[in-house]
Amino acid sequence: GAVVSQHPSRVICKSGTSVKIECRSLDFQATTMFWYRQFPKKSLMLMATSNEGSKATYEQGVEKDKFLINHASLTLSTLTVTSAHPEDSSFYICSASDRDNEQFFGPGTRLTVL
Amino acid sequence: AQSVTQLDSQVPVFEEAPVELRCNYSSSVSVYLFWYVQYPNQGLQLLLKYLSGSTLVKGINGFEAEFNKSQTSFHLRKPSVHISDTAEYFCAVSGKDTNAGKSTFGDGTTLTVKP
Repeated sequence: GAVVSQHPSRVICKSGTSVKIECRSLDFQATTMFWYRQFPKKSLMLMATSNEGSKATYEQGVEKDKFLINHASLTLSTLTVTSAHPEDSSFYICSASDRDNEQFFGPGTRLTVL
Repeated sequence: AQSVTQLDSQVPVFEEAPVELRCNYSSSVSVYLFWYVQYPNQGLQLLLKYLSGSTLVKGINGFEAEFNKSQTSFHLRKPSVHISDTAEYFCAVSGKDTNAGKSTFGDGTTLTVKP
């Protein structure tokens, strides 16, 4: 099956700094990528939908200026958490959908903000 | 809009026993239905999906699920579980009018298989 990678898998940063997370589709072109946030023992919360070459569509309640999403190519989307605070600590998961609209998930990135 | 309810937050079961993880959904439009498995600190892996056709769907690792439109359910079953099936399981739904990636997830069911 299709593979989606995320980098880094784990990141620890100081409060106030910015962190960039990459999501890549390794063997297919993804016109649409999705970013989710998962709290411990909780379900996935869709943060935004990212389309190549256009602005991301954010879900209600997600701060656009805090979670910057860029979809520069058909295989790469990035999520930048700006001015991170401890409450931003979470597990961030991306997914990419192929032409058949099947969704493939990345392995996730554990963000810890000190 | 859609919603998903996974009726059991935790399901403990002994090895080689059968298991059923329950999922109910609500939607104003026709839906696609999915079950995913998540192992600790990993992303989600698709177990199976219902798009159309036969209501009994078979997936990987011996799992199957049955779509019941009248009861708006999509319960996941396995006749004999293994220790390695211990994981978090998520039921998800997406409207046929949207990109399948825009799914709504249930809160998850923790399956613990005991020896």
